[in-house]
Parts: sequence; structure tokens; C-alpha cells
Amino acid sequence: DTAVSQTPKYLVTQMGNDKSIKCEQNLGHDTMYWYKQDSKKFLKIMFSYNNKELIINETVPNRFSPKSPDKAHLNLHINSLELGDSAVYFCASSLRELNTGELFFGEGSRLTVL
Amino acid sequence: KQEVTQIPAALSVPEGENLVLNCSFTDSAIYNLQWFRQDPGKGLTSLLLIQSSQREQTSGRLNASLDKSSGRSTLYIAASQPGDSATYLCATRGGTSYGKLTFGQGTILTVHP
Repeated sequence: DTAVSQTPKYLVTQMGNDKSIKCEQNLGHDTMYWYKQDSKKFLKIMFSYNNKELIINETVPNRFSPKSPDKAHLNLHINSLELGDSAVYFCASSLRELNTGELFFGEGSRLTVL
Repeated sequence: KQEVTQIPAALSVPEGENLVLNCSFTDSAIYNLQWFRQDPGKGLTSLLLIQSSQREQTSGRLNASLDKSSGRSTLYIAASQPGDSATYLCATRGGTSYGKLTFGQGTILTVHP
């Protein structure tokens, strides 16, 4: 039933490792997003994909690479993890045709880099 | 560059009070403004979406208004309940294609019995 689901919910790893977070939506939306919420709870967009095509890239380090195998999935791969990458990462989706549409968010993936 | 500010940063009220949360934004060229609720350790739940052509939206005890020209929105919560305790976030959707959401830093609301 979950509209936007992310896995894993929690991820603890060492500096220098590579990790992935997966996101899937069953809403039939064609635009998906990754947002980062830092320790001060500030949410900021990282990427947006429309129907598997990258449309927004907010000057995120190239250690972060989103991948969209189809329009229902948007995964986030992070190479060479750093302490500053510790945050909660939220996936979201919306209908592309409706720039006026709502965004629906997943429950977040809390990444802790030690 | 859009900047969204929410005031107050935190609010503590007794149960039953009516309250107002404020959101201001610097760029009035927006598609819409969305209010969210975030519970600790949880994702964001959309509460209300106001299109740029609208003045207000209502859902149950919640009423959100939008004054685009002055760059302001308010979220009014009537007869607050302890279950309303959460962080409330407002976000504007940019006035360009594939508009992104720009978030405020949120208001932490505590309603005590």
C-alpha cells in the first residue's frame, strides 16, 4: 500500500565505503526526487528525474550518483562516504505534467557515517 | 534564489488553543505552496497544497492562506490537540518547469494536555 517506499530505513557505515539507497513509488508518477535533511532538519533538493531523465542536479558532489532504471524507481548511490554525508535522505514523487501537483515523500533513510 | 523562512521556530501551547504558523518567501514567482507535517523519525505528510491562483485551502481543523504578492502564507490550526505535536514545514514550488520545492526550516509545535 505504501506510496513511496525507501530502503534501507537505517544505514550505518564507515567512511570511505560505497552505499546505495533504493526508492520505489507505486503512484504512477513520472517525476521523482531525492532530498537531503541535515542535522539542523533543513531539507534541500539534490536531484530530480522525469521519466528516467535527470532534470535537476543541485550542485551535489559527483560522489552521489542517482540511477533511474524505470520511472517508478530512483536509487541513490554514494561513493567514498564522508562524515558530512550523515543525514536523512528522502525520496519523493509527483506528476510531471502537473507542476502544480503535490509531492509525496517516503519515510526517509537515515545514513550515519562513522 | 528562493528563500523560505518560518516563524516561530518553536511553539508550545496548551490543548484547545487556536494557533497560527507563519511562512514567508522571497520570490513570488511560484506555482504553489505546500504545508507538510513531519513527526520525529518519520517522513513528510502533505497537509495542504495552495496553488498560486488560490487564496486559501481548508482541511478539517487546518486552514492555509496564501498572499503571493507579499510572499506570505499562514497555517491556522483550530482547537489544537496533543496529536498535532510535530514539525510543520512549508515549501514553495518554483515557477519554472520541473519546479523544485524550497523548504523553510520548520516550526516545532508542542501541544500539551
